[in-house]
Order: sequence, then structure tokens, then C-alpha cells
Amino acid sequence: DIQMSQSPSSLSASVGDRVTITCRASQGIRNDLGWYQQKPGKAPKRLIYTASSLQSGVPSRFSGSGSGTEFTLTISSLQPEDFATYYCLQHNTYPFTFGQGTKLEIK
Amino acid sequence: QVKLVESGGRVVQPGRSLRLSCAASGFTFMNYGMHWVRQAPGKGLEWVAFISYTGNTRHYADSVKGRFTISRDDSRNTLFLQMSSLRGEDTAVYYCSRDNDIPEDRDAFDFWGQGTLVTVSS
Repeated sequence: DIQMSQSPSSLSASVGDRVTITCRASQGIRNDLGWYQQKPGKAPKRLIYTASSLQSGVPSRFSGSGSGTEFTLTISSLQPEDFATYYCLQHNTYPFTFGQGTKLEIK
Repeated sequence: QVKLVESGGRVVQPGRSLRLSCAASGFTFMNYGMHWVRQAPGKGLEWVAFISYTGNTRHYADSVKGRFTISRDDSRNTLFLQMSSLRGEDTAVYYCSRDNDIPEDRDAFDFWGQGTLVTVSS
């Protein structure tokens, strides 16, 4: 199985900060990766698909990059509504696997 | 608009069975593969199962293989997850999500349902 190592597991930041979350795949997955935001009690929401494409309706402060085994999600200027948990998901090889999640908290 | 609505979650005893449903609307269901994903209380997301748009291909997580069966009824625009031999570790919110099922241009997990809670407890 492909392991997705996501870091950090938690992050404290302030409104206006730039933050970066990383996912590393245990083997190459091309660009078959998405990033998801989840708020408590809600379903995940896709932010980025195919590693770097911005989902329609998602603010441009979110961006994704990477290919192969290393991927990043960057939020250029944190807004209050961005405090949530973020997951990466590889959909290259079954079983599909998620990263462990990054909880983004207000400093 | 695309809508996915899960149902069927409830409290069930260990060893028993349960069937979840996911009603789809707002898109051509028969053209899409579908997934189940679950989330145990306070834990991360876990992919569970996939069925292709034809229904001919299915994949399962090792944790549910042999106990869970994914199926679909295109006449009712509905996805199912038949769960048997349930265990405490199957306690989770179960979500369905769609997949365009095009290997060379895959677009998966763009829409999700709101989830249905399964609690396995005596």
C-alpha cells in the first residue's frame, strides 16, 4: 500500500500568516493527489485536485504543488474561516490512502 | 446541482449486518464510479471501497475486505454498502463520493455527502 506522510500534524498560526502543509508518498503517484478541508461535523471539501488545480469556487489564496512523491498545500494569507483540518489523498493506486491530517489552529 | 445523501446508519450490535445507501441526484449517476470513505470519531479519513461506473470493478480496503460489499442500482441512482460481521472498529461516519472513473483524466472525490453514523456497540 502507498503510505501518505503528512506534516505537520498540527499547526498554530495567525490570521494573515502564510502556511504550508506537506504530504510525502511512499512511492510515485504522478499528480494523482487532492487536498481536502474539513470542519467539525462537516464533510470534507475538495480544495485542490491533480496536485495543483484549484477547485472551482475555492479562494485563490489556496494553492497546491508537487508531483511524484512530494506535495504541498499553501495558504498564502490565512483567513479566520481557514482554521480547520486538512487532508491529502492519493488516488493513484488502490487502496487509496489519506494523509493523517493537519489541524490548523488559531495562535 | 450535485447532491449525495447517505442514510441507513444506526446503532448495531457486534457481529450483525447493516446496509447503507447513498442517493445521488444532479448528475448522470450511471456514468460515475463511486466511493465510500469513513471517519471514526475523532480520527482521520479512511477510504473504504470503490465501484466502477459499470459495476464490474470493485476495490476494498483490507480492513473491510470479505465483510463489506459495495453495489449500485442505476435505476434508482443509488449506491449501497452492505456491511456484515460488524466490529467496534467499524464505528464511524460513512461518506459517499463520486469519481469520473476515467483513468487518463481522473477527477475523483469532488462531491461528498453529509455522512451517516454507524455505531457498533452491544
